Amino acid sequence: EAGVAQSPRYKIIEKRQSVAFWCNPISGHATLYWYQQILGQGPKLLIQFQNNGVVDDSQLPKDRFSAERLKGVDSTLKIQPAKLEDSAVYLCASSLGPPHPGLAGGPRETQYFGPGTRLLVL
Amino acid sequence: TQLLEQSPQFLSIQEGENLTVYCNSSSVFSSLQWYRQEPGEGPVLLVTVVTGGEVKKLKRLTFQFGDARKDSSLHITAAQTGDTGLYLCARYNFNKFYFGSGTKLNVKP
Repeated sequence: EAGVAQSPRYKIIEKRQSVAFWCNPISGHATLYWYQQILGQGPKLLIQFQNNGVVDDSQLPKDRFSAERLKGVDSTLKIQPAKLEDSAVYLCASSLGPPHPGLAGGPRETQYFGPGTRLLVL
Repeated sequence: TQLLEQSPQFLSIQEGENLTVYCNSSSVFSSLQWYRQEPGEGPVLLVTVVTGGEVKKLKRLTFQFGDARKDSSLHITAAQTGDTGLYLCARYNFNKFYFGSGTKLNVKP
């Protein structure tokens, strides 16, 4: 079974430029997550989709970040304009379904992560 | 707060040694996950613990959930170089996953 695919793997841009990341989740996975992982920290959830609808985007800096999952499969995350503090690894993850409130850890809830896109803003 | 504190931040040991890493919170959590992240890759789920006092074993890895469900530990017996990586704990609250900052483990041959 193919895993979560992300591209590009690396990107270097100058501040105030725009950048877009692409994610292709595991086939059949309805839930898709975008995380930001700054060096030395754990991943921080930016946005969660259920099919093509947004479940949670409370931690997405909406003045510069946007994400979409138009057909409920692939997703793109965009930053416009980029700031120095956006330098991080952007991780995409998918699961069969959304976690239950108690998170029993069943197979349906398991998140599978892609390799990430490393962004450096100069 | 959803803060998860992991300790130690860094750990460098020789192959064959045992080690324990910790994940603590000031608040009770209903369940906790442990992940391992290798350089250049995304995190991979190792285990989910849901019951206070629960112990789960995965080969040489032993995971424990505290009785009060405010802390968890991961013990590795006879570490191997393949255990090198970043160990993350995560909790699920209010429809979001919150990750700790991780313990970076280096196992030297």
